[in-house]
Amino acid sequence: QQPVQSPQAVILREGEDAVINCSSSKALYSVHWYRQKHGEAPVFLMILLKGGEQKGHEKISASFNEKKQQSSLYLTASQLSYSGTYFCGTGHGSSNTGKLIFGQGTTLQVKP
Amino acid sequence: DGGITQSPKYLFRKEGQNVTLSCEQNLNHDAMYWYRQDPGQGLRLIYYSQIVNDFQKGDIAEGYSVSREKKESFPLTVTSAQKNPTAFYLCASSIVGQSSYEQYFGPGTRLTVT
Repeated sequence: QQPVQSPQAVILREGEDAVINCSSSKALYSVHWYRQKHGEAPVFLMILLKGGEQKGHEKISASFNEKKQQSSLYLTASQLSYSGTYFCGTGHGSSNTGKLIFGQGTTLQVKP
Repeated sequence: DGGITQSPKYLFRKEGQNVTLSCEQNLNHDAMYWYRQDPGQGLRLIYYSQIVNDFQKGDIAEGYSVSREKKESFPLTVTSAQKNPTAFYLCASSIVGQSSYEQYFGPGTRLTVT
């Protein structure tokens, strides 16, 4: 039931782009994206909803493919501050229950 | 400033003892959540509550208990029945509605049981 994230880890140079994927075996109602720095709390980035509404961050974008039950997070022109672990959290069912199932995370390291 | 507070940041206990982790929010959110995070792992839901005096089990509720007597507070008790309690515990809260809303996380409590 846990969504599968890929890749597990990415190393970039500043200015490079990255894509992180989140794939679920269950129909999706929503997908949340969070970034967590080591030892800190996760910080919200983006929500994508069934039906196409998207809410979130200015410099990071995401897509939501209902049919494929997948979401992808796009990090363009990466900065050092983008380093951390990215988690997708998926909501299921026909309406919002608030309950999310989180993927195992993708570790991103941006080097100068 | 609105936010979520968790205390303490670090907690050490002997095996066989119950321990209660505090979570308080002043965001006026109806929903609150408890997650457990193990090294290199994602967040696993322990319990969640969408309204005062009501809560539901998450995916790994065994060995844990919660209460929701006030909107602002959602304490988690790790009981001696929890076989492997050492972990990083995160509390979160969110608005409840028809749409899906971001979860705001507290700073976490790192529990070590020896």
